[in-house]
Amino acid sequence: GQNIDQPTEMTATEGAIVQINCTYQTSGFNGLFWYQQHAGEAPTFLSYNVLDGLEEKGRFSSFLSRSKGYSYLLLKELQMKDSASYLCAVTPPGDSSYKLIFGSGTRLLVRP
Amino acid sequence: NAGVTQTPKFRILKIGQSMTLQCTQDMNHNYMYWYRQDPGMGLKLIYYSVGAGITDKGEVPNGYNVSRSTTEDFPLRLELAAPSQTSVYFCASRHRSGPAGELFFGEGSRLTVL
Repeated sequence: GQNIDQPTEMTATEGAIVQINCTYQTSGFNGLFWYQQHAGEAPTFLSYNVLDGLEEKGRFSSFLSRSKGYSYLLLKELQMKDSASYLCAVTPPGDSSYKLIFGSGTRLLVRP
Repeated sequence: NAGVTQTPKFRILKIGQSMTLQCTQDMNHNYMYWYRQDPGMGLKLIYYSVGAGITDKGEVPNGYNVSRSTTEDFPLRLELAAPSQTSVYFCASRHRSGPAGELFFGEGSRLTVL
C-alpha cells in the first residue's frame, strides 16, 4: 500500500525560500505529483516527477529520490499568495496506475 | 471552456436521505475520479473510472455508488447519508493514458449531513 507523510504546517517569511518534504512508503510507484490548494478552492497541478532529480519551473522546483522514498517542493522568493496547502501524491504501479493517492498536505503560511 | 463541472456546490442533507452529486467534463477525458476532503486533511479517493461502463473502488468507497454511462458524466450517489459523510467532494478528470497526466478538478461540492 501507500503511506505518504508530509509536515502538517509550515511558516515562512515573504521573500524567503521554503522546502516542503514528502516521504512515502509504497510497494512501488510510477510518479509523484505536487498540487497547490488555496483555502476553499480545488487543487491545481504544480509538478510531476518520474525520474530522480530536480525539476524546475519558475519559482517552484520539485525533487525526487526513488531510492530514499523522498521528495520535496522548493518555493523561492515567497509571495503572500503562496500561502496555501501543498499536496504530495503518488501513482501506484501496475493496474493501479490510474489512481492518484494523496498525502494529507502541508499548510504553508507566508508572513510579511 | 467549462472543464469539470460539479453540481450542487452546497447541500445539506438529513441523516438517512439520499442524493446524487453530478459531475461532467467537456475535455473528452477517459479517466474520472471522485475524492472527498475532510477539514484540514488531504484527498481520499472514493471511486474512479477509466472509461464509460468501467468503474472501480478507491480508498473509501463504503456508503457511495457511481456509474459511468457516458464519457462526459460521472455521478456519485450517496445512499442513507450519515454525519461521517460531511465533507467537500471533488470530481476530477485526466487525459493521458499513462500515469503522468495531471488531474483537472471541479470546484467542489460541500455536503453537510445533520
